[in-house]
Amino acid sequence: SQQGEEDPQALSIQEGENATMNCSYKTSINNLQWYRQNSGRGLVHLILIRSNEREKHSGRLRVTLDTSKKSSSLLITASRAADTASYFCATDPYSGNTPLVFGKGTRLSVIA
Amino acid sequence: GAVVSQHPSWVICKSGTSVKIECRSLDFQATTMFWYRQFPKQSLMLMATSNEGSKATYEQGVEKDKFLINHASLTLSTLTVTSAHPEDSSFYICSARRGADTQYFGPGTRLTVL
Repeated sequence: SQQGEEDPQALSIQEGENATMNCSYKTSINNLQWYRQNSGRGLVHLILIRSNEREKHSGRLRVTLDTSKKSSSLLITASRAADTASYFCATDPYSGNTPLVFGKGTRLSVIA
Repeated sequence: GAVVSQHPSWVICKSGTSVKIECRSLDFQATTMFWYRQFPKQSLMLMATSNEGSKATYEQGVEKDKFLINHASLTLSTLTVTSAHPEDSSFYICSARRGADTQYFGPGTRLTVL
């Protein structure tokens, strides 16, 4: 089953612009993670934010988490054509041997 | 870092045949591995949880007799798609959890059933 929704489903921006993707989920979480997937390829782990954290940065990535609204956002600043990919949020409901539950994803196209 | 491998990376088979996909944790022991399926332009959907030494737990709507999962050791889980049909064509991804937070994903196996 899928945890929730991501929006937008597709996003097209010019190189140099910022891209913001949102993720909503339904149940309590231990942490939330963002992944990137190029077409036809495997997943690349981008960033993990724990339930007691509100914001996290990694290079050009900024992730926020609002557990009261059960939502997260991923901001990619100064986007590049190479950032073109699908981005998924995944929630980890508990600690221990539980699977990640993925959102539907956002397809980002960065036009040079 | 920890690595999870999958073999094969892609496979093409005829309708009605069976295909086995291997998932290995290369430098850690994984008592639990997970199998996901991803159709084109869709997200990953959990198919089943593979438990070492016991039966797999399947998600609702996933046929356990069609998707056979064996977790024979702490580093290997296999998914066998039996009597494959074109609608089984998909991208199959396994993952293994190491520790409380970290889950490692395999590179995926693309199955095409003709």
